[in-house]
Amino acid sequence: KQEVTQIPAALSVPEGENLVLNCSFTDSAIYNLQWFRQDPGKGLTSLLLIQSSQREQTSGRLNASLDKSSGRSTLYIAASQPGDSATYLCAVGSARQLTFGSGTQLTVLP
Amino acid sequence: ETGVTQTPRHLVMGMTNKKSLKCEQHLGHNAMYWYKQSAKKPLELMFVYNFKEQTENNSVPSRFSPECPNSSHLFLHLHTLQPEDSALYLCASSQLLAGAYNEQFFGPGTRLTVL
Repeated sequence: KQEVTQIPAALSVPEGENLVLNCSFTDSAIYNLQWFRQDPGKGLTSLLLIQSSQREQTSGRLNASLDKSSGRSTLYIAASQPGDSATYLCAVGSARQLTFGSGTQLTVLP
Repeated sequence: ETGVTQTPRHLVMGMTNKKSLKCEQHLGHNAMYWYKQSAKKPLELMFVYNFKEQTENNSVPSRFSPECPNSSHLFLHLHTLQPEDSALYLCASSQLLAGAYNEQFFGPGTRLTVL
């Protein structure tokens, strides 16, 4: 059974800092990995999708990497802004479903 | 309407009530999902529908009854719920390609409170 762990559970940084969120998974036989953002009480917004054959994906200030062999993914956020404050969720995709981590709650202080 | 929509956004019900949650996707996808998000727990997959056929049921109690009349609409019928069923219920959709599900897009969720 796939297990997904996200570290740290919470992170508080000053505005402008570059930061890295970590995601690890136990079964390397994955189809894809998806990073989401969730604002309090809201649904999930897809940020980046990495297919199993890819090593990284970039969108604006976000960069996600995938190392299947070690069971790890990182989400890099450059020049953080207060508007980036949210919970970031990592989800690992098998052929049939996504398995989610518990998330990293990010606070960017002005 | 664009993306994935869900109604109602908030719902309060007693344990003896019957209610339904509705989800509609405007993305032309062929797979739809129900997830449950409880406080302090990871999202839990409840049901998956592929071309209107249920393909996954993750040991969900029978007091939750899904219905998928077509590829764009998904319902979750609720009856005799328990207070521990209070949670955010999220609907998602994706495109099934080459036998695997692709990027999932989520609706805003229904916040359910069971009294």
